[in-house]
Amino acid sequence: QKEVEQNSGPLSVPEGAIASLNCTYSDRVSQSFFWYRQYSGKSPELIMSIYSNGDKEDGRFTAQLNKASQYVSLLIRDSQPSDSATYLCAVRALSAKYSGGSNYKLTFGKGTLLTVNP
Amino acid sequence: SAVISQKPSRDICQRGTSLTIQCQVDSQVTMMFWYRQQPGQSLTLIATANQGSEATYESGFVIDKFPISRPNLTFSTLTVSNMSPEDSSIYLCSVEGTRGETQYFGPGTRLLVL
Repeated sequence: QKEVEQNSGPLSVPEGAIASLNCTYSDRVSQSFFWYRQYSGKSPELIMSIYSNGDKEDGRFTAQLNKASQYVSLLIRDSQPSDSATYLCAVRALSAKYSGGSNYKLTFGKGTLLTVNP
Repeated sequence: SAVISQKPSRDICQRGTSLTIQCQVDSQVTMMFWYRQQPGQSLTLIATANQGSEATYESGFVIDKFPISRPNLTFSTLTVSNMSPEDSSIYLCSVEGTRGETQYFGPGTRLLVL
């Protein structure tokens, strides 16, 4: 069973602080890694993707990937109350259910609820 | 990213009945996915639907309970059959990005079964 584990929340940080969200995955052949943000009552929206080891920055968001440790993280700098949401880690790998094709499957972690306090 | 719409946005149903959820995309896509998100939980993949072929179901989900249609490259339906209160959940459809790099989600259908 391929698993994606996220650090248990909820996580609470003051406004302006750095929020750190962590994720580990069990499938070594995983190829792509994503962070989704889900506001209460809404569907998930993609905020970051990362494919190779190292850091990837986009505005206040930085994704970090370490394939040797099977670890991916998301840092949110200068956290704002509007960042308060559940953050879902997702890992994309080739699905064993498909043969002869290139169909991939996303496996999601359970999510970490982040609250940014004004 | 594609624009995805779902109908209905929410519904309240009686146990033993069935509900069909529609997913419409504004562009042609090869793969469409159906997920379930139970209260307070993450997303669980129900099945993957390719146009012109039978849907592929994940462990724990069967076609009799969740029949799926994929008549063309922009549309799919998921039926939740013989519903019980345990089926109360958000049902989401998603599609892969144009480069196949990730998935984008529709707004979801919130189902409550009494």
